[in-house]
Amino acid sequence: DGGITQSPKYLFRKEGQNVTLSCEQNLNHDAMYWYRQDPGQGLRLIYYSQIVNDFQKGDIAEGYSVSREKKESFPLTVTSAQKNPTAFYLCASSIIPDTQYFGPGTRLTVL
Amino acid sequence: QKEVEQNSGPLSVPEGAIASLNCTYSDRVSQSFFWYRQYSGKSPELIMSIYSNGDKEDGRFTAQLNKASQYVSLLIRDSQPSDSATYLCAVNPGTGFQKLVFGTGTRLLVSP
Repeated sequence: DGGITQSPKYLFRKEGQNVTLSCEQNLNHDAMYWYRQDPGQGLRLIYYSQIVNDFQKGDIAEGYSVSREKKESFPLTVTSAQKNPTAFYLCASSIIPDTQYFGPGTRLTVL
Repeated sequence: QKEVEQNSGPLSVPEGAIASLNCTYSDRVSQSFFWYRQYSGKSPELIMSIYSNGDKEDGRFTAQLNKASQYVSLLIRDSQPSDSATYLCAVNPGTGFQKLVFGTGTRLLVSP
């Protein structure tokens, strides 16, 4: 079964806590992306990676960090520096520079 | 600032009608265009991609692109209540590796 998986589906974070969101794909796509979606708003790009061991900041990278040690995996860490992390987080992948396919998303809530 | 504009809606159509969703973009050199459907609480799923001027049809969906007018649209024929969702327009603003620019989406409501 090919596709993109994200875990967990729901995540709760306490104030001051770092949390890591998982994103895995078995589509053999080179590029991977992280977006944030707030209610009633569009997708905002957090980080993206074109190849293994390389990634670039998107439009709203402050308070987030990523790694790309394997082609299949692109985890996102939401750090305590992110002041308003409650949102729907979406991971996507693509064959550069073509169509992006999305995972099911992780809904993060700050308690 | 490269922008993609969509009317937020909601666009309300009766079942069986044609729904017309519109999108304009600011970057004249944009090369590829995508429509995604997003149900409430779910992630976006790709419906159509279009790269050349004109129409592209896939089942009940037709994407229309007019690069001179910087305009792309999505027509949904024989609209069904299950088509009720938010439709996102996305634009690849250039050649080579580019970040997609997304519109904020149009909410479509199809009433039985």
